[in-house]
Amino acid sequence: AQSVTQLDSQVPVFEEAPVELRCNYSSSVSVYLFWYVQYPNQGLQLLLKYLSGSTLVKGINGFEAEFNKSQTSFHLRKPSVHISDTAEYFCAVRAGEKLTFGTGTRLTIIP
Amino acid sequence: GAVVSQHPSRVICKSGTSVKIECRSLDFQATTMFWYRQFPKQSLMLMATSNEGSKATYEQGVEKDKFLINHASLTLSTLTVTSAHPEDSSFYICSASHSYEQYFGPGTRLTVT
Repeated sequence: AQSVTQLDSQVPVFEEAPVELRCNYSSSVSVYLFWYVQYPNQGLQLLLKYLSGSTLVKGINGFEAEFNKSQTSFHLRKPSVHISDTAEYFCAVRAGEKLTFGTGTRLTIIP
Repeated sequence: GAVVSQHPSRVICKSGTSVKIECRSLDFQATTMFWYRQFPKQSLMLMATSNEGSKATYEQGVEKDKFLINHASLTLSTLTVTSAHPEDSSFYICSASHSYEQYFGPGTRLTVT
């Protein structure tokens, strides 16, 4: 079975400051890793994914994440956040066809 | 990119009635679709995996007779909440599998009064 831990339920950040949203996972098999963003009352939008290859992956809206197998982590980063980045962010792992989501991190940007 | 739609986006129904939610893949065929439920300020919980032409696979604890899933075509899966109760009020999200990714619909807000 797989599990995903997002330790930070809420992260407030000043506008134009950098941010890191943490994600750790556990799995007995190889997994694929994803970050999704959810705006209020909307579905999920894929930010980025790690399937194989380079451990640093770049996604949309200036976000990037680094896969660290030894630490079983897949932290999401952005060097300078914008007000429009205010949303809920979910880390997920996929084994087979099923996705297992973390509990989400609410990113709030402070003007 | 792959687009998934859901209808309706919001629905209010009376306790004891049934409501159907549709999930469509607009520009691709999906042999597998997924139904999730999301409570306020919580994560998505997988309810069931819907396979075209066969019975859905339900996750542990999900009542298959209450949440009826039909995947009659490669572009449409439906979730019917039967005899709805206020505790069924939630945000329901579907996704469709395509090229090793899941593409999510915009969600349906169900309120049972």
